[in-house]
Amino acid sequence: RKEVEQDPGPFNVPEGATVAFNCTYSNSASQSFFWYRQDCRKEPKLLMSVYSSGNEDGRFTAQLNRASQYISLLIRDSKLSDSATYLCVVNPRGGGNKLTFGTGTQLKVEL
Amino acid sequence: NAGVMQNPRHLVRRRGQEARLRCSPMKGHSHVYWYRQLPEEGLKFMVYLQKENIIDESGMPKERFSAEFPKEGPSILRIQQVVRGDSAAYFCASSPRIDGDYGYTFGSGTRLTVV
Repeated sequence: RKEVEQDPGPFNVPEGATVAFNCTYSNSASQSFFWYRQDCRKEPKLLMSVYSSGNEDGRFTAQLNRASQYISLLIRDSKLSDSATYLCVVNPRGGGNKLTFGTGTQLKVEL
Repeated sequence: NAGVMQNPRHLVRRRGQEARLRCSPMKGHSHVYWYRQLPEEGLKFMVYLQKENIIDESGMPKERFSAEFPKEGPSILRIQQVVRGDSAAYFCASSPRIDGDYGYTFGSGTRLTVV
């Protein structure tokens, strides 16, 4: 089983749609969680951290369910500029900040 | 406030040559991480270094690959006798500490092509 699993997509959605990405992780002792965004042929950029209480940043909402080892990202009112690959990232406990990346979910927002 | 600086951006090497990839962390960051991204694949951890020390090299191939982070100067990822399978994007990231409650900042990457 992969340490971090994501649906690769692509998710093709119209502008203005709400889209949700899911991710599962295998190490129950993992201590911190993130969503990164990667544009084609660019470096990954931190989108947001993910907390058990859930957190929101504008149109983006992230949620963590430790019991189910499940992380989600919700994008509301999607824009063309949201088109990218979204990477689920986990820091296993004792990993010394060695982050483990999922393979990413590709999002294409269309007119 | 310069971010993580990697150079070169693009590097072409013939099979059997050496590739040297450089990474200067953000100011004040003493922890450096190297990741490799093969075409159509996710980022894979290679090595984690602090100044003058390799902390975790569990993701480094056993042969031909080495990394260093000297007291002065950038971190270097060195690949000897490159083969076609080494063609990938190599990303460096840095962080100020290791408590892990925040993510890394990545450099723009070096795209290595072996011909």
